[in-house]
This record gives sequence, structure tokens and C-alpha cells, in this order.
Amino acid sequence: SQQGEEDPQALSIQEGENATMNCSYKTSINNLQWYRQNSGRGLVHLILIRSNEREKHSGRLRVTLDTSKKSSSLLITASRAADTASYFCATGPTGGGNKLTFGTGTQLKVEL
Amino acid sequence: DGGITQSPKYLFRKEGQNVTLSCEQNLNHDAMYWYRQDPGQGLRLIYYSQIVNDFQKGDIAEGYSVSREKKESFPLTVTSAQKNPTAFYLCASSITGNSNEQFFGPGTRLTVL
Repeated sequence: SQQGEEDPQALSIQEGENATMNCSYKTSINNLQWYRQNSGRGLVHLILIRSNEREKHSGRLRVTLDTSKKSSSLLITASRAADTASYFCATGPTGGGNKLTFGTGTQLKVEL
Repeated sequence: DGGITQSPKYLFRKEGQNVTLSCEQNLNHDAMYWYRQDPGQGLRLIYYSQIVNDFQKGDIAEGYSVSREKKESFPLTVTSAQKNPTAFYLCASSITGNSNEQFFGPGTRLTVL
């Protein structure tokens, strides 16, 4: 079952602009992760935020988590054409375990 | 050169045939996973294994089978019982614990003719 749903499904911006993607989920989580997928490739882990954290930064990435609203956002600042990819959130369940449940993804296109 | 590899990159099979997709990792990870991705969709878990000689069904296990005889290897067999096998298949691995980061292979695109 799909735990997370990303919004928007697709996003097109100009280089240099910021890109914001949102993820909503349904059940309690241990952590939430964001992954990137270039077309026809495997996924690459970007950042992990734990349920007791509210915000995390990594380079041009900023992730927020609101467990009361069961939602997260990924902000990419000063976007580049190379950021063009699909972005997925994935949730890890409360109580541990290795399984992640992936969302449906946001397709980001950054144009020159 | 550490990582996770999948072969082949592209695979074609005729209806009614079983086919096995390879997944190998040299990251010394205990846990391995198989996902299916359809166009424009997210990932759906087929099977996962947390330790050698043990594996569990994921959300869409019907028509698939796996084995985990070695820590490094987690092959997936797509059987003729899988009604709609054409998809992109991704293998991943991780250390065990609380929903750790997963490392993905490059994927195998299976097309049933």
C-alpha cells in the first residue's frame, strides 16, 4: 500500500528558483526519508528526518516534518538543471523494522 | 568498488516463461529488498530479507519468488503466474535496524512479449 503521497505530481521551474515538494502520510512513523531518481535509474538517498526532529538541512536541501499533520516538505534552493529528477518520500514505521513505504513521487523539471 | 548491482539491465521474455533477475551487493548489508515500479508510479515492495535463509512477503508478492542463500545475493524469479510482469524492478539493501537508509541498484527493465 502507498503510505505517502507527494504533491505536486509534477513541477516545472526555472534554474535558480526554489522547488518545494510535499509528502503526506497516514500512520505513525519512526522516520521519513527523501530519495531522488533520475530517469531509468535507481534511487539515491538524500536525507532522513526522525520523528522527533522538525527540520533538517543538507547542502541546498531543507526538510521539515510535522507529525501532527502527518506531512513533510522538501525544499531545494537555487535549483539547477541537474536537479531534474523524480523525488520520493519514504516512511519507516513506528516500532522499527526495516521496511520503508514509498510515496508516488514528484517529477521535477528545472529549465535553463 | 562497493555497491549493489543488478543484471541484466534489460530483459525480454515470452509469456509463460519464468525469468530470474540478479541482485548482488558487497556492502555487507544484512537486509535486502525487491521493489516493482510501474511508469509514473512509486515503488511497491515485493519481497524482503533481513537475514540469510529468511525472507518475507511484501505488498505484491503473488507471482514472484526469492531465495537468500548468501548474504550478498538476493535473486528474484518472476514466474508465469505473475499476470502483468512488465515493469522496472529495483533491488536495494540496508543495514538492519529502524528503517535505515536503503541503497539501490540501477534496476532491471523487464518486458514481456
